[in-house]
Amino acid sequence: GQNIDQPTEMTATEGAIVQINCTYQTSGFNGLFWYQQHAGEAPTFLSYNVLDGLEEKGRFSSFLSRSKGYSYLLLKELQMKDSASYLCAVKDSNYQLIWGAGTKLIIKP
Amino acid sequence: EADIYQTPRYLVIGTGKKITLECSQTMGHDKMYWYQQDPGMELHLIHYSYGVNSTEKGDLSSESTVSRIRTEHFPLTLESARPSHTSQYLCASSPGTSDVETQYFGPGTRLLVL
Repeated sequence: GQNIDQPTEMTATEGAIVQINCTYQTSGFNGLFWYQQHAGEAPTFLSYNVLDGLEEKGRFSSFLSRSKGYSYLLLKELQMKDSASYLCAVKDSNYQLIWGAGTKLIIKP
Repeated sequence: EADIYQTPRYLVIGTGKKITLECSQTMGHDKMYWYQQDPGMELHLIHYSYGVNSTEKGDLSSESTVSRIRTEHFPLTLESARPSHTSQYLCASSPGTSDVETQYFGPGTRLLVL
């Protein structure tokens, strides 16, 4: 079956750096997405990786290793507004998105 | 900013009632999706459409039906609501013209079936 694993919850301090990991086992691979979802709201797109390596976008970076079935989202200079769930999703061989359950990130002052 | 709308935002309804959840987008996107999400859980795809008159079932078994008569409109209907249908329903769309195909989500409908 298809599976995406993320830690359920992480806690970090305002101003610090946090890395959220995602491992996946899917039938085929056509890209990996990270979305942010604030409580009670809809997910919003953060990043996309299809080739190995690091993609940087401001305070957020996303890394992919296809051979290891692994990605991480790196958040720098954490702000209180970064408290949210971060969803990892993989597009499989049928070009359908398979979603992880998300990692709830709690930022403390 | 994405222009995708869902109504109602919240709905409390009795068992056995027929309900339709509305979803509209003004971006001209060809692809549209319905997801079901329980608190703290992953999104499950229940229906999708790649264009007018195209509808497919997703990987989550669902007793709902959808229609795609117009590009901008993708309603979801439950013929007979049950307590097991209590969940959040998210509608999304994507342009379907690139590999990235970012999905834009509506605000969701929170459904409670008593």
